[in-house]
Amino acid sequence: AQKVTQAQTEISVVEKEDVTLDCVYETRDTTYYLFWYKQPPSGELVFLIRRNSFDEQNEISGRYSWNFQKSTSSFNFTITASQVVDSAVYFCALSGWNTGFQKLVFGTGTRLLVSP
Amino acid sequence: GAVVSQHPSWVICKSGTSVKIECRSLDFQATTMFWYRQFPKQSLMLMATSNEGSKATYEQGVEKDKFLINHASLTLSTLTVTSAHPEDSSFYICSGPTGPSYEQYFGPGTRLTVT
Repeated sequence: AQKVTQAQTEISVVEKEDVTLDCVYETRDTTYYLFWYKQPPSGELVFLIRRNSFDEQNEISGRYSWNFQKSTSSFNFTITASQVVDSAVYFCALSGWNTGFQKLVFGTGTRLLVSP
Repeated sequence: GAVVSQHPSWVICKSGTSVKIECRSLDFQATTMFWYRQFPKQSLMLMATSNEGSKATYEQGVEKDKFLINHASLTLSTLTVTSAHPEDSSFYICSGPTGPSYEQYFGPGTRLTVT
């Protein structure tokens, strides 16, 4: 079975603070992909990043960075110098070889509130 | 990434009626699309996999006679909520096609309210 856990239901920060969103996953597949999506108030999901299980390199994209650690089954997401526009719900998701990488299993999401 | 559209973006219907939601892949042909459901402040739950030219594959616990899925062409999948009830009120999102690294591209969603 596959499972994604986002223990943080809601996080509130003040603009310019750094914030880390946690994601822990479970899967029996040895080959899998991990994703982060952003869902702003409009509701449309925005793809942010994907990582395959063989690539543990951390990635940085502007103010966003991701830390993938297979040893702890975690794929955490850090926003540096947060901005009000970062306010959204962020979902971590997993797809595995067992389902042909077609089905996404989502975590419960973390609501990020960035105040001015 | 691929562009996926949904229509309508929101709909209000009376209990007992049926409502159809369309999902279109605008710049790519999709043999497979996915339908998700999201209750307020909750996560997305996969309802079914829509397969072009064949029957949809439903997830466990999803009533296939209530949520009719038709994938008539490589660019259009439809979800019909039959005999809708207030508990069917939700945000319905489709996705597809998958990108080069299996990322899914999501439509903007359809908010259904059943009164």
